[in-house]
Amino acid sequence: QQQVKQSPQSLIVQKGGISIINCAYENTAFDYFPWYQQFPGKGPALLIAIRPDVSEKKEGRFTISFNKSAKQFSLHIMDSQPGDSATYFCAAPNSGGSNYKLTFGKGTLLTVNP
Amino acid sequence: DTGVSQNPRHKITKRGQNVTFRCDPISEHNRLYWYRQTLGQGPEFLTYFQNEAQLEKSRLLSDRFSAERPKGSFSTLEIQRTEQGDSAMYLCASSFYRGNYGYTFGSGTRLTVV
Repeated sequence: QQQVKQSPQSLIVQKGGISIINCAYENTAFDYFPWYQQFPGKGPALLIAIRPDVSEKKEGRFTISFNKSAKQFSLHIMDSQPGDSATYFCAAPNSGGSNYKLTFGKGTLLTVNP
Repeated sequence: DTGVSQNPRHKITKRGQNVTFRCDPISEHNRLYWYRQTLGQGPEFLTYFQNEAQLEKSRLLSDRFSAERPKGSFSTLEIQRTEQGDSAMYLCASSFYRGNYGYTFGSGTRLTVV
């Protein structure tokens, strides 16, 4: 069974600052680590994902950094904007093969002040 | 096809009543998942279907819960004899079997048991 620990629980950042959210997992046999973004009243939406054969993936202002030996991956949001204010979840799969039975962290509530 | 559709968006029911939720996945997706999310927590896996076959059920899914996906299209989640502890957001997601990484979630059904 996969375990995922996410920190911090909440984060307040000024506009233009860098937001960093961390995630640690236990089971190493998997190939896919996504981050989801959730706004109030909406379902989570896939933001960015990484496979463990690379150490970093960047999409616009969002970057995932992956440390396989430490079993950790983190989300960096550069030039944070008030529209980024949302809850962010990391996740890891419970079985070999993607798209199957994700275990989610407890979430990080990000507030970006204008 | 604009995404995963869930109905109703909100449901208030009295304890002991039965409720049924519907999910219409993205039509090309052959995998369908149900998750439950309580306040301040990440989504928790309940069950998933590949086409019409229900391939796994979480131990969170007591015998009061039943899910179906007739003909591999839409899915229903029924809760019998609802309890206050069933109050949560019920999320449906869909994905391809292979070649894609990441779920598409619906906006969920918010269940309140009074």
